[in-house]
Amino acid sequence: EPEVTQTPSHQVTQMGQEVILRCVPISNHLYFYWYRQILGQKVEFLVSFYNNEISEKSEIFDDQFSVERPDGSNFTLKIRSTKLEDSAMYFCASSLGAGLQPQHFGDGTRLSIL
Amino acid sequence: QKEVEQDPGPLSVPEGAIVSLNCTYSNSAFQYFMWYRQYSRKGPELLMYTYSSGNKEDGRFTAQVDKSSKYISLFIRDSQPSDSATYLCAMRPNFGNEKLTFGTGTRLTIIP
Repeated sequence: EPEVTQTPSHQVTQMGQEVILRCVPISNHLYFYWYRQILGQKVEFLVSFYNNEISEKSEIFDDQFSVERPDGSNFTLKIRSTKLEDSAMYFCASSLGAGLQPQHFGDGTRLSIL
Repeated sequence: QKEVEQDPGPLSVPEGAIVSLNCTYSNSAFQYFMWYRQYSRKGPELLMYTYSSGNKEDGRFTAQVDKSSKYISLFIRDSQPSDSATYLCAMRPNFGNEKLTFGTGTRLTIIP
């Protein structure tokens, strides 16, 4: 069964450094998402991406965050200058379309900021 | 009031029992309702996906939505140890808004 894959599974970064989290969505999907889950808290929406542009973003997704689909298969989340509070699990998701099409999640990247 | 509320548990039941998991919500705009299962160190795995009010059954799983009460449920029949996981409810408004709002998750353990 097709799945969303994320790399790396664990990323350790010094505070203030840039980090790029990578995702390969399911191949025929058109909508892409990033969510995060701080330890012990609920999964929170960050951003949705469709047709090569951001379609929606949360208040968490400030100027330090950016997303990109650099080619036909990858979808990335960049955090420009990481803070301690960015430590979390970051999940990528994709869906075939909008409306009745569900979102399928990857297994996440655990980001640890030191 | 939180947008989506879910009892975090933990909930322990014996193998073979019927499990009932629930979420309440406050946003009447929510139209799409999902249940995800999350094993330790894994991503959310979609279990059930329903639109508006009513019931949906898939094998041992039944999802119920009561929009008038702003209440959704997931029932697991003949529970198995492999059902031990955290169960997340998620929901979103209608077409054009793709953001999922999650509950905190209920940690479920099935005791053999």
